[in-house]
Amino acid sequence: SQQGEEDPQALSIQEGENATMNCSYKTSINNLQWYRQNSGRGLVHLILIRSNEREKHSGRLRVTLDTSKKSSSLLITASRAADTASYFCATALYGNKLVFGAGTILRVKS
Amino acid sequence: GAGVSQSPSNKVTEKGKDVELRCDPISGHTALYWYRQSLGQGLEFLIYFQGNSAPDKSGLPSDRFSAERTGGSVSTLTIQRTQQEDSAVYLCASSLTRANEKLFFGSGTQLSVL
Repeated sequence: SQQGEEDPQALSIQEGENATMNCSYKTSINNLQWYRQNSGRGLVHLILIRSNEREKHSGRLRVTLDTSKKSSSLLITASRAADTASYFCATALYGNKLVFGAGTILRVKS
Repeated sequence: GAGVSQSPSNKVTEKGKDVELRCDPISGHTALYWYRQSLGQGLEFLIYFQGNSAPDKSGLPSDRFSAERTGGSVSTLTIQRTQQEDSAVYLCASSLTRANEKLFFGSGTQLSVL
């Protein structure tokens, strides 16, 4: 089964609103990453947060990590129509491969 | 090239035929992954290569699937005797050092088995 699972499966918001996506995982990790995918093809790396970090920012993105709850959240502030995409979390196990969740489909309506 | 290159971008084949999918990682990247994504689904790990170490083949769904990486660079994913359930987008990714750092993805190969 997937190591990471995103919630919700789909999210529809108005332009300018904030979007929050959550990711839960099962085992201890080295780091957690978020990726974006447009049109079902290549993924683009957004942000990486290590297991000893609790929060990280990159532009309009804010990622939090709670290792005690084995969960992470991705917040996109002031959303734009161009943010419409699928968002995936990926967990990196110590010394092992990167495993992706099923993703959240975000639709930003203009 | 500047990014990860995959070829072909689309492949249509008949059930029972063999197919080869190619991936050119970013020059100097030591880790290379193959993932599979069915329509509307997440990424399914298939295999990864890390430098000269033995590849992690734990995600290959059957013995019809194999992959090799020649000279630590180009990789080929081979699917023998294709089945309709093999239809998916096959994504390749590479990373500079270890397998669990930031990945750079190619645009994928859309495989359709008729």
